[in-house]
Amino acid sequence: GDSVTQMEGPVTLSEEAFLTINCTYTATGYPSLFWYVQYPGEGLQLLLKATKADDKGSNKGFEATYRKETTSFHLEKGSVQVSDSAVYFCALRGGSQGNLIFGKGTKLSVKP
Amino acid sequence: GAVVSQHPSRVICKSGTSVKIECRSLDFQATTMFWYRQFPKQSLMLMATSNEGSKATYEQGVEKDKFLINHASLTLSTLTVTSAHPEDSSFYICSALGEYGYTFGSGTRLTVV
Repeated sequence: GDSVTQMEGPVTLSEEAFLTINCTYTATGYPSLFWYVQYPGEGLQLLLKATKADDKGSNKGFEATYRKETTSFHLEKGSVQVSDSAVYFCALRGGSQGNLIFGKGTKLSVKP
Repeated sequence: GAVVSQHPSRVICKSGTSVKIECRSLDFQATTMFWYRQFPKQSLMLMATSNEGSKATYEQGVEKDKFLINHASLTLSTLTVTSAHPEDSSFYICSALGEYGYTFGSGTRLTVV
């Protein structure tokens, strides 16, 4: 079945460092891809998405490009801030119920 | 933007009692509601999917008699954990699918003592 694999954390960076969180997927066809962010004690918020190959999703300085050749959707940010500390989930729409299928999440901690 | 209100945010209950979790879509109609469970340091696992006015579809391994889902209207879905046990302690999150795509509730931390 469809699945999402993302790099395991935790990831600890200093403020203004470059961030990459890898995400690859296995799916039939070309599903929509998403990145969600979860702050402590809260639900998930959509960070960005891409619906077709070569699309680039972007928001709040984060970017991810839908690469069908490598079945990847890596999340990047050029300069992280302390406020970016959270858990990031990569997901695809592909469940039999139209649900999202999530990776295990990557915890990011940004130190001042 | 789209908002899903999930209540309660935290609940502690005694073993053997039942707990109801509500999710309301405030400014849109949720044709489908997904219920997830999140274990510590793990991903969200889909428990069940409900469509307004019809029976929920449960994922394999999820006890339908234990996790009762009701989707009585296009703006309200509830999950009732019946006869809760400590192993049911977890973070439960709903996700509504509507015109704005997927909108998540803020989650409910259930602790069964």
